[in-house]
Amino acid sequence: RKEVEQDPGPFNVPEGATVAFNCTYSNSASQSFFWYRQDCRKEPKLLMSVYSSGNEDGRFTAQLNRASQYISLLIRDSKLSDSATYLCVVATGGGATNKLIFGTGTLLAVQP
Amino acid sequence: DAEITQSPRHKITETGRQVTLACHQTWNHNNMFWYRQDLGHGLRLIHYSYGVQDTNKGEVSDGYSVSRSNTEDLPLTLESAASSQTSVYFCASSEKGRGYTDTQYFGPGTRLTVL
Repeated sequence: RKEVEQDPGPFNVPEGATVAFNCTYSNSASQSFFWYRQDCRKEPKLLMSVYSSGNEDGRFTAQLNRASQYISLLIRDSKLSDSATYLCVVATGGGATNKLIFGTGTLLAVQP
Repeated sequence: DAEITQSPRHKITETGRQVTLACHQTWNHNNMFWYRQDLGHGLRLIHYSYGVQDTNKGEVSDGYSVSRSNTEDLPLTLESAASSQTSVYFCASSEKGRGYTDTQYFGPGTRLTVL
C-alpha cells in the first residue's frame, strides 16, 4: 500500500464548478499535511498547509481527519488558471527533520 | 531575491558516464533535498542534508551520492548513469523546522535522459 494515495484523475470540470480531491495516508504518526500544486513541467509549489481544525484560503478549503487518516481539498468557483496537478503531501519526523511523502497527484483540467 | 536554482536544466548522457547535477540556494536554509519524479510515482526522496557535512540516504539512493561542503550547495552525482535514472530531478530546501509550518521550496528541475 502506498504511504499517500490519491485519485489520479483527471478531473475535467467547467469554469465555476466546485471540485473536491481526497487523499489518504497510511502512517498514523504523520504530523504535518500539505497540498502542493504543480503546473505542467514545473516545480511543485506549496498551495496550503492543512490543519486539524480545517483551513480556508480564498476559494480553497483544506480538511484533515486524523481518525480516518484522510485529507481533502475543495476548490470553489474553479478558474482556468486552477488547471494543474494537485499533490497531497504528508510530513513525517517533525521539527528539524521533517521528510515529505508525496502522493502521485490529481490532475485537474478546468474547461471554458 | 533569494532563490533556488538547478543546473543544467536539461541533460542527455550515455550509460556508464558520471553525471553531476547542481543545486544552489540563497536562502541560507539548513535543509536540502533531492527528489526524482517519474510517471506513476510521487516525488521520491533520493538524498537529503540537514547541514554542512551532513548527508542522509532517502528511499531511492542506490546509484546516487551527495556532498554538502557549504550551506548553499548540494550537488547530486550519478556515479555510473543507467537508463533507469532517466527522470526529472528536483532539488528543494527548507529552514530548520518550526512546528508543522515547514515549507520546502523547490528548484525548477533538471530533466535527465540516459541513453
